[in-house]
Amino acid sequence: AQKITQTQPGMFVQEKEAVTLDCTYDTSDQSYGLFWYKQPSSGEMIFLIYQGSYDEQNATEGRYSLNFQKARKSANLVISASQLGDSAMYFCAMRGGDTGRRALTFGSGTRLQVQP
Amino acid sequence: KAGVTQTPRYLIKTRGQQVTLSCSPISGHRSVSWYQQTPGQGLQFLFEYFSETQRNKGNFPGRFSGRQFSNSRSEMNVSTLELGDSALYLCASSLTGDGYTFGSGTRLTVV
Repeated sequence: AQKITQTQPGMFVQEKEAVTLDCTYDTSDQSYGLFWYKQPSSGEMIFLIYQGSYDEQNATEGRYSLNFQKARKSANLVISASQLGDSAMYFCAMRGGDTGRRALTFGSGTRLQVQP
Repeated sequence: KAGVTQTPRYLIKTRGQQVTLSCSPISGHRSVSWYQQTPGQGLQFLFEYFSETQRNKGNFPGRFSGRQFSNSRSEMNVSTLELGDSALYLCASSLTGDGYTFGSGTRLTVV
């Protein structure tokens, strides 16, 4: 079975500072994908960044980067230069490699609050 | 290009009734999956459809069903609604499985 663990229910960060949101995962698949989504209070899930299990380089998308440590089974999200608009819930998710396991498994989320 | 469209945005139903939610994926995406989000259980996978066929199914009772049409639009149906079915229902469409784009969700309240 696949499992995603996010151990930080809530985080505070000062505007313009960097913040790391933790995510560890467990899977027996050799091929898998890791995702981070942002969910503001409106409810929509906004895709942030994707890392494939065979990708050798850490993924980056603008101010977002994914610190992928395969041996430790961790996929932490780093947000640089936090902005007030970054305040939201953040979810780490994984999909397996087989067609039958392509559903996303989500973690419990981290609520990030950016303070001015 | 247009994103994933879910209708309606909000819905209030009475216990015992049934409800149908709709999801229109991004043009060209043939995979549509559904998720339920509740404060207690978090985000849980309901089912996935690909080219009108159910490809994956989560651990939900048979009251939850879905279908996909030839234009890739999908509907999910919940029969005999229970109070615990109150949730945000999210639909996601995908082209390759390396990216899932979600809609804004349908917030269902069962009273």
